[in-house]
Amino acid sequence: ILNVEQSPQSLHVQEGDSTNFTCSFPSSNFYALHWYRWETAKSPEALFVMTLNGDEKKKGRISATLNTKEGYSYLYIKGSQPEDSATYLCAFSSNTGKLIFGQGTTLQVKP
Amino acid sequence: ETGVTQTPRHLVMGMTNKKSLKCEQHLGHNAMYWYKQSAKKPLELMFVYSLEERVENNSVPSRFSPECPNSSHLFLHLHTLQPEDSALYLCASSQGASGGLSSYNEQFFGPGTRLTVL
Repeated sequence: ILNVEQSPQSLHVQEGDSTNFTCSFPSSNFYALHWYRWETAKSPEALFVMTLNGDEKKKGRISATLNTKEGYSYLYIKGSQPEDSATYLCAFSSNTGKLIFGQGTTLQVKP
Repeated sequence: ETGVTQTPRHLVMGMTNKKSLKCEQHLGHNAMYWYKQSAKKPLELMFVYSLEERVENNSVPSRFSPECPNSSHLFLHLHTLQPEDSALYLCASSQGASGGLSSYNEQFFGPGTRLTVL
């Protein structure tokens, strides 16, 4: 059984704080690691698709790193804003092309 | 707006009813997915269609019956559901690789149908 674990489950920060969360995934048969942002009452939206060990991707104040040998990825948000409040999902993909999702980290940014 | 629409957005049904969920994608993708999200659980893949052929049936009970008449439309037919089937049902699409699904392409999700079974 393939397991994708995310921590913490939830996080409350003040506006302006920087924060990070973790996604752990199987290190064997790795093809890609996806990050999605899911705002309340909206659709999940892709942030990053990462494939290479050591890869780092950035979109505005959000960045992600990938370690495929040890099976983890970090998502960082610099200077959190209230509009960053959402659930952040990671998903592991092997050679099947199907995504296995973690439970998500729910971020609440207080103004 | 992700280019994937789902109807209805909310559905309440009795255990003896038959209903259908509809998904439509306007992105020209060739793979479509049904996911289920129950409270406090990860998104769970139910069915995958690639090039209109079902490639995954993830041990889903037969009271859920998918249909993919063409690459833009996906249905989930529901009959004699149980209260524990109450959940958010999400549809997604992606561009597959030649001959199958792609691990590298992001999935585009619809807003979901919130289903309540009484």
